[in-house]
Amino acid sequence: QVQLQQWGAGLLKPSETLSLTCAVYVGSFSGYSWSWIRQPPGKGLEWIGEVNHSGSADYNPSLKSRVTISVDTSKNQFSLKLNSVTAADTAVYYCARGPQDMGVAFDIWGQGTMVTVSS
Amino acid sequence: SYELTQPPSVSVSPGQTARITCSGDALPKTYAYWYQQKSGQAPVLVIYEDNKRPSGIPERFSGSSSGTMATLTISGAQVEDEADYYCYSTDSSDNYRVFGGGTKLTVL
Repeated sequence: QVQLQQWGAGLLKPSETLSLTCAVYVGSFSGYSWSWIRQPPGKGLEWIGEVNHSGSADYNPSLKSRVTISVDTSKNQFSLKLNSVTAADTAVYYCARGPQDMGVAFDIWGQGTMVTVSS
Repeated sequence: SYELTQPPSVSVSPGQTARITCSGDALPKTYAYWYQQKSGQAPVLVIYEDNKRPSGIPERFSGSSSGTMATLTISGAQVEDEADYYCYSTDSSDNYRVFGGGTKLTVL
């Protein structure tokens, strides 16, 4: 059964760079899009961006200037970097899989990583 | 930017039908997706492309869309269906991918 396992630093200071990685276990890496989504405490979900297996990325316009999503197909992993973080970036960050035959749906999600930005 | 609007809360008794709406200007041209999120857990896809149900999702979950409104219907809601539900879609140019604000479903 396909699983997404994610990890990264959970506590950052303002202006630092958030860095998270998501590994895909048991399943194909190609033929899907791979996304990052976040959820501030007590609030709703926000799509951050996605990358496909060839490395082509698409980002939420509101975060585009600070975000990079990349892929390492040799390891079946994809990563998120978010620059110049502030307290507003405090959230649970999820990685998720997007099957090509399901539109823009996310059918498999990682377990989530809580990232806190505090001085 | 683009926005999807959901009611903050919906409440039904067990066995009743729950309907959660999602409104957005681009919905006549784009698909709606629905996610269920229970407390402390990652979201789960329950409906994609307006009305398709992923494998493993109970038949009591269904979706529809008409004009600028999409609807998630839970027929015969059960206590275990209590959760936050989020709609998701794109604007007509696929420049914005957004979630609705979420609806808290109470079944009691």
